[in-house]
Amino acid sequence: AQTVTQSQPEMSVQEAETVTLSCTYDTSESDYYLFWYKQPPSRQMILVIRQEAYKQQNATENRFSVNFQKAAKSFSLKISDSQLGDAAMYFCAYRSAIQGAQKLVFGQGTRLTINP
Amino acid sequence: DGGITQSPKYLFRKEGQNVTLSCEQNLNHDAMYWYRQDPGQGLRLIYYSQIVNDFQKGDIAEGYSVSREKKESFPLTVTSAQKNPTAFYLCASSMLGRVGGYTFGSGTRLTVV
Repeated sequence: AQTVTQSQPEMSVQEAETVTLSCTYDTSESDYYLFWYKQPPSRQMILVIRQEAYKQQNATENRFSVNFQKAAKSFSLKISDSQLGDAAMYFCAYRSAIQGAQKLVFGQGTRLTINP
Repeated sequence: DGGITQSPKYLFRKEGQNVTLSCEQNLNHDAMYWYRQDPGQGLRLIYYSQIVNDFQKGDIAEGYSVSREKKESFPLTVTSAQKNPTAFYLCASSMLGRVGGYTFGSGTRLTVV
């Protein structure tokens, strides 16, 4: 079974600075998808960014980018120019690429605080 | 607007009672999921369904039951067999065959009193 580990329960960063959230995963599959979700205090889950394992290029969405290291099974999220609205729980998630296997496996989450 | 509706937002249950959480989607998504969220443990999969009248157990199915009689609806029943039901429950849906994340509902907070 696949597992996802987020080793940082809490992180904090000064507004406008850059922060990196760590995620590692364990799988024997070669094709899969990885995601970062944001959960603000409203508790609504919001997709931040996704990465296909067969793509070597790291995904980027505006101020959010990932560092995907397939051999190391690492998938970190970098938030640049941090804003107060970025404060939230962040979850890393894994999904198999096997047809029909749609379920997501989540990490434990990292609570990000933005200091003004 | 299309989306997922979970109701109620807050639910209180007495010990020994069954309670049903509602999840409805109008996105025409094939698959639906129930997750439980506890502090420090992330989201854990309870049940999921990829087609009507079929569903599979997730990692923590004991004490829960589901049905999928309609494509739009995937209610979750928390039975009296669930020893620690107080938690935040999230419902989600997705289109089969498409790479993308889920669409999540806004959640139900269940408290045993």
